[in-house]
Amino acid sequence: EAQVTQNPRYLITVTGKKLTVTCSQNMNHEYMSWYRQDPGLGLRQIYYSMNVEVTDKGDVPEGYKVSRKEKRNFPLILESPSPNQTSLYFCASSSPGGSTDTQYFGPGTRLTVL
Amino acid sequence: QKEVEQNSGPLSVPEGAIASLNCTYSDRGSQSFFWYRQYSGKSPELIMSIYSNGDKEDGRFTAQLNKASQYVSLLIRDSQPSDSATYLCAVSTFGSNYKLTFGKGTLLTVNP
Repeated sequence: EAQVTQNPRYLITVTGKKLTVTCSQNMNHEYMSWYRQDPGLGLRQIYYSMNVEVTDKGDVPEGYKVSRKEKRNFPLILESPSPNQTSLYFCASSSPGGSTDTQYFGPGTRLTVL
Repeated sequence: QKEVEQNSGPLSVPEGAIASLNCTYSDRGSQSFFWYRQYSGKSPELIMSIYSNGDKEDGRFTAQLNKASQYVSLLIRDSQPSDSATYLCAVSTFGSNYKLTFGKGTLLTVNP
């Protein structure tokens, strides 16, 4: 089954404790992206990656890091989480220009930083 | 700063009616336009994409694009209670779905 998986789905942590949210896709997509969704602010892009070892900042990259060492994986790293990073996070992947122009979203990770 | 504006709603329509969702965008260089549906607690899913001026129909859904007015809309005919969701408009300056900028979404409720 074609899918984007994220782990963990729910996480409660404390300020300053480094964490990683994993994202993996099994569709051989070149493009992957991270978004955060907040009430009243909508979906905002954090980082995106056009391919392995190619990443770039989205609209709200501060406080986040990413890496793309393998095509299927695109982890989101919070080196020193703060309460304002409490949010719902979505990973997405796509293969623009292919047979479909849709981004496939993962199920989301709800993060709470105390 | 690229902006995508949507009526926040909520928009409430009776079952069987036409629901009309609107979206305006600020970047005249935008090339690709998408409508996503997001049920409460779920991830967004694509329902329509449109790249050129005019109408594009897919079943009960019609997307309309007017680049001169920087306006894109989604019409849902014969609305069903299962259409109740938040609808997200997304825009890209690329010819595909790279670097999407999303609107804040419109909550649609279809009443039986």
